[in-house]
Amino acid sequence: LAKTTQPISMDSYEGQEVNITCSHNNIATNDYITWYQQFPSQGPRFIIQGYKTKVTNEVASLFIPADRKSSTLSLPRVSLSDTAVYYCLVVSNTNAGKSTFGDGTTLTVKP
Amino acid sequence: DAGITQSPRYKITETGRQVTLMCHQTWSHSYMFWYRQDLGHGLRLIYYSAAADITDKGEVSDGYVVSRSKTENFPLTLESATRSQTSVYFCASSEDGDQPQHFGDGTRLSIL
Repeated sequence: LAKTTQPISMDSYEGQEVNITCSHNNIATNDYITWYQQFPSQGPRFIIQGYKTKVTNEVASLFIPADRKSSTLSLPRVSLSDTAVYYCLVVSNTNAGKSTFGDGTTLTVKP
Repeated sequence: DAGITQSPRYKITETGRQVTLMCHQTWSHSYMFWYRQDLGHGLRLIYYSAAADITDKGEVSDGYVVSRSKTENFPLTLESATRSQTSVYFCASSEDGDQPQHFGDGTRLSIL
Protein backbone atom coordinates (compact mmCIF):
# COMPACT_ATOMS: atom_id res chain seq x y z
CA LEU A 1 0.00 0.00 0.00
CA ALA A 2 1.33 3.42 -0.98
CA LYS A 3 2.14 5.67 1.95
CA THR A 4 2.10 9.39 1.34
CA THR A 5 4.41 12.16 2.50
CA GLN A 6 3.40 15.83 2.56
CA PRO A 7 4.90 18.97 4.07
CA ILE A 8 3.55 19.58 7.54
CA SER A 9 2.72 23.22 6.93
CA MET A 10 2.78 25.99 4.32
CA ASP A 11 2.14 29.71 4.43
CA SER A 12 0.84 31.85 1.60
CA TYR A 13 -0.73 35.23 0.94
CA GLU A 14 -4.07 36.07 -0.54
CA GLY A 15 -4.12 36.03 -4.33
CA GLN A 16 -1.12 33.75 -4.69
CA GLU A 17 -1.08 30.32 -6.29
CA VAL A 18 -0.30 27.53 -3.84
CA ASN A 19 1.21 24.19 -4.79
CA ILE A 20 1.21 21.33 -2.30
CA THR A 21 3.21 18.27 -3.26
CA CYS A 22 2.57 14.74 -2.09
CA SER A 23 5.05 11.91 -2.43
CA HIS A 24 3.75 8.35 -2.97
CA ASN A 25 6.70 6.27 -4.13
CA ASN A 26 4.97 2.89 -3.85
CA ILE A 27 1.85 3.75 -5.82
CA ALA A 28 0.37 0.77 -7.64
CA THR A 29 -1.01 0.53 -11.14
CA ASN A 30 -4.64 0.60 -10.03
CA ASP A 31 -4.26 3.41 -7.49
CA TYR A 32 -5.86 6.84 -7.78
CA ILE A 33 -4.69 10.00 -6.06
CA THR A 34 -7.30 11.93 -4.13
CA TRP A 35 -7.08 15.22 -2.24
CA TYR A 36 -9.28 16.39 0.59
CA GLN A 37 -9.67 19.66 2.47
CA GLN A 38 -10.59 19.88 6.13
CA PHE A 39 -11.68 22.90 8.14
CA PRO A 40 -11.66 22.86 11.95
CA SER A 41 -14.57 20.95 13.49
CA GLN A 42 -15.68 19.59 10.12
CA GLY A 43 -15.22 16.37 8.22
CA PRO A 44 -12.85 16.31 5.24
CA ARG A 45 -14.27 17.45 1.92
CA PHE A 46 -13.27 15.99 -1.44
CA ILE A 47 -11.37 18.40 -3.69
CA ILE A 48 -10.03 16.49 -6.68
CA GLN A 49 -9.00 13.05 -7.87
CA GLY A 50 -6.72 11.91 -10.67
CA TYR A 51 -4.88 8.98 -12.17
CA LYS A 52 -2.29 10.58 -14.45
CA THR A 53 -1.28 13.82 -16.19
CA LYS A 54 -3.51 16.75 -15.25
CA VAL A 55 -6.98 17.10 -13.85
CA THR A 56 -8.74 20.42 -13.34
CA ASN A 57 -12.03 21.36 -11.75
CA GLU A 58 -13.57 24.60 -10.57
CA VAL A 59 -11.47 24.82 -7.41
CA ALA A 60 -8.12 23.16 -8.09
CA SER A 61 -5.77 21.38 -10.46
CA LEU A 62 -3.93 18.15 -9.89
CA PHE A 63 -0.66 17.47 -11.65
CA ILE A 64 0.67 13.90 -11.82
CA PRO A 65 3.98 13.16 -13.57
CA ALA A 66 4.43 10.12 -15.77
CA ASP A 67 6.02 7.98 -13.05
CA ARG A 68 3.11 8.83 -10.68
CA LYS A 69 5.41 8.78 -7.66
CA SER A 70 4.27 12.23 -6.66
CA SER A 71 1.41 14.62 -7.27
CA THR A 72 0.87 18.35 -6.84
CA LEU A 73 -2.33 20.04 -5.79
CA SER A 74 -2.51 23.55 -7.19
CA LEU A 75 -4.86 26.14 -5.70
CA PRO A 76 -5.11 29.26 -7.85
CA ARG A 77 -5.37 32.67 -6.21
CA VAL A 78 -5.99 31.53 -2.66
CA SER A 79 -8.10 33.49 -0.22
CA LEU A 80 -8.27 33.52 3.58
CA SER A 81 -11.03 30.93 3.41
CA ASP A 82 -8.61 28.42 1.89
CA THR A 83 -6.83 28.17 5.24
CA ALA A 84 -7.30 24.50 6.08
CA VAL A 85 -5.59 21.12 6.29
CA TYR A 86 -5.08 19.36 2.97
CA TYR A 87 -4.74 15.60 2.75
CA CYS A 88 -3.37 13.48 -0.05
CA LEU A 89 -4.69 9.94 -0.26
CA VAL A 90 -3.86 7.01 -2.52
CA VAL A 91 -6.85 4.74 -3.08
CA SER A 92 -7.82 1.72 -5.11
CA ASN A 93 -10.67 -0.73 -5.31
CA THR A 94 -8.46 -3.55 -4.17
CA ASN A 95 -7.23 -1.68 -1.10
CA ALA A 96 -10.14 0.60 -0.33
CA GLY A 97 -9.83 0.21 3.40
CA LYS A 98 -6.10 0.45 3.63
CA SER A 99 -5.56 4.04 2.57
CA THR A 100 -4.24 6.35 5.23
CA PHE A 101 -4.80 10.08 5.57
CA GLY A 102 -1.60 10.94 7.37
CA ASP A 103 -1.33 14.28 9.15
CA GLY A 104 -1.86 16.40 6.04
CA THR A 105 -0.53 19.85 5.18
CA THR A 106 -1.75 22.82 7.17
CA LEU A 107 -2.08 25.75 4.78
CA THR A 108 -2.28 29.20 6.32
CA VAL A 109 -3.29 32.04 4.02
CA LYS A 110 -2.37 35.49 5.26
CA PRO A 111 -3.87 38.83 4.22
CA ASP B 1 -32.11 15.68 1.88
CA ALA B 2 -29.61 13.10 0.74
CA GLY B 3 -26.47 12.90 2.78
CA ILE B 4 -24.64 11.27 5.62
CA THR B 5 -25.59 11.91 9.20
CA GLN B 6 -23.90 10.98 12.44
CA SER B 7 -25.42 10.84 15.88
CA PRO B 8 -24.96 11.95 18.51
CA ARG B 9 -22.84 15.02 17.72
CA TYR B 10 -21.46 15.10 21.24
CA LYS B 11 -21.20 12.36 23.84
CA ILE B 12 -19.71 12.20 27.30
CA THR B 13 -19.44 8.84 29.00
CA GLU B 14 -17.42 7.03 31.63
CA THR B 15 -14.66 4.50 31.43
CA GLY B 16 -15.95 0.97 31.07
CA ARG B 17 -19.30 1.86 29.56
CA GLN B 18 -20.49 0.68 26.19
CA VAL B 19 -21.27 3.41 23.69
CA THR B 20 -22.59 3.25 20.14
CA LEU B 21 -22.10 5.89 17.49
CA MET B 22 -24.55 5.92 14.62
CA CYS B 23 -23.99 6.63 10.95
CA HIS B 24 -26.66 6.78 8.28
CA GLN B 25 -26.31 7.55 4.57
CA THR B 26 -29.02 8.05 1.99
CA TRP B 27 -27.00 7.57 -1.21
CA SER B 28 -26.99 3.75 -1.13
CA HIS B 29 -23.21 3.86 -1.31
CA SER B 30 -21.53 0.49 -1.11
CA TYR B 31 -18.60 1.53 1.04
CA MET B 32 -18.71 3.02 4.51
CA PHE B 33 -15.86 3.95 6.80
CA TRP B 34 -15.19 4.91 10.40
CA TYR B 35 -12.24 7.12 11.31
CA ARG B 36 -11.00 8.70 14.49
CA GLN B 37 -9.17 11.98 14.61
CA ASP B 38 -7.18 12.94 17.67
CA LEU B 39 -6.41 16.56 18.35
CA GLY B 40 -3.87 17.94 15.90
CA HIS B 41 -3.59 14.77 13.89
CA GLY B 42 -4.92 13.20 10.75
CA LEU B 43 -7.63 10.60 10.42
CA ARG B 44 -6.98 6.98 11.26
CA LEU B 45 -9.18 4.23 9.87
CA ILE B 46 -10.98 2.09 12.43
CA TYR B 47 -13.18 -0.13 10.27
CA TYR B 48 -14.64 -0.11 6.82
CA SER B 49 -17.36 -1.99 5.00
CA ALA B 50 -17.56 -2.82 1.32
CA ALA B 51 -21.23 -3.84 1.44
CA ALA B 52 -23.89 -5.04 3.84
CA ASP B 53 -22.56 -7.83 6.05
CA ILE B 54 -18.98 -7.27 4.83
CA THR B 55 -16.64 -5.47 7.20
CA ASP B 56 -12.89 -5.31 7.68
CA LYS B 57 -10.44 -3.85 10.16
CA GLY B 58 -8.48 -0.69 9.69
CA GLU B 59 -5.29 0.32 11.41
CA VAL B 60 -6.80 1.06 14.87
CA SER B 61 -9.63 -1.45 15.31
CA ASP B 62 -8.85 -2.77 18.81
CA GLY B 63 -11.65 -1.99 21.25
CA TYR B 64 -14.21 -1.27 18.52
CA VAL B 65 -16.97 -3.33 16.96
CA VAL B 66 -19.01 -2.58 13.84
CA SER B 67 -21.95 -4.12 12.05
CA ARG B 68 -23.67 -3.47 8.77
CA SER B 69 -26.97 -5.29 8.47
CA LYS B 70 -28.36 -2.63 6.13
CA THR B 71 -26.55 -0.74 3.40
CA GLU B 72 -27.46 2.66 4.82
CA ASN B 73 -26.36 2.14 8.42
CA PHE B 74 -22.94 1.51 9.89
CA PRO B 75 -22.90 1.77 13.70
CA LEU B 76 -19.65 1.80 15.66
CA THR B 77 -19.59 0.40 19.19
CA LEU B 78 -17.00 0.87 21.87
CA GLU B 79 -17.54 -2.22 24.00
CA SER B 80 -15.80 -0.92 27.11
CA ALA B 81 -14.75 2.68 26.66
CA THR B 82 -11.29 3.81 27.73
CA ARG B 83 -9.89 7.33 28.09
CA SER B 84 -7.60 6.73 25.12
CA GLN B 85 -10.71 6.49 22.93
CA THR B 86 -11.56 10.12 23.56
CA SER B 87 -11.54 11.55 20.06
CA VAL B 88 -13.60 12.92 17.20
CA TYR B 89 -15.15 10.14 15.15
CA PHE B 90 -15.99 10.58 11.48
CA CYS B 91 -18.11 8.35 9.34
CA ALA B 92 -17.80 8.41 5.55
CA SER B 93 -19.30 6.68 2.55
CA SER B 94 -18.29 6.21 -1.07
CA GLU B 95 -19.85 4.72 -4.15
CA ASP B 96 -16.93 2.37 -4.60
CA GLY B 97 -13.56 1.72 -3.01
CA ASP B 98 -11.64 4.12 -5.23
CA GLN B 99 -14.28 6.85 -5.36
CA PRO B 100 -14.28 10.04 -3.25
CA GLN B 101 -15.51 9.65 0.29
CA HIS B 102 -18.27 11.83 1.70
CA PHE B 103 -17.93 12.60 5.37
CA GLY B 104 -20.38 13.27 8.15
CA ASP B 105 -20.01 16.14 10.62
CA GLY B 106 -18.38 13.95 13.24
CA THR B 107 -19.11 12.85 16.80
CA ARG B 108 -17.03 14.37 19.55
CA LEU B 109 -16.65 11.67 22.20
CA SER B 110 -15.21 12.31 25.65
CA ILE B 111 -14.54 9.46 28.04
CA LEU B 112 -14.02 10.43 31.66
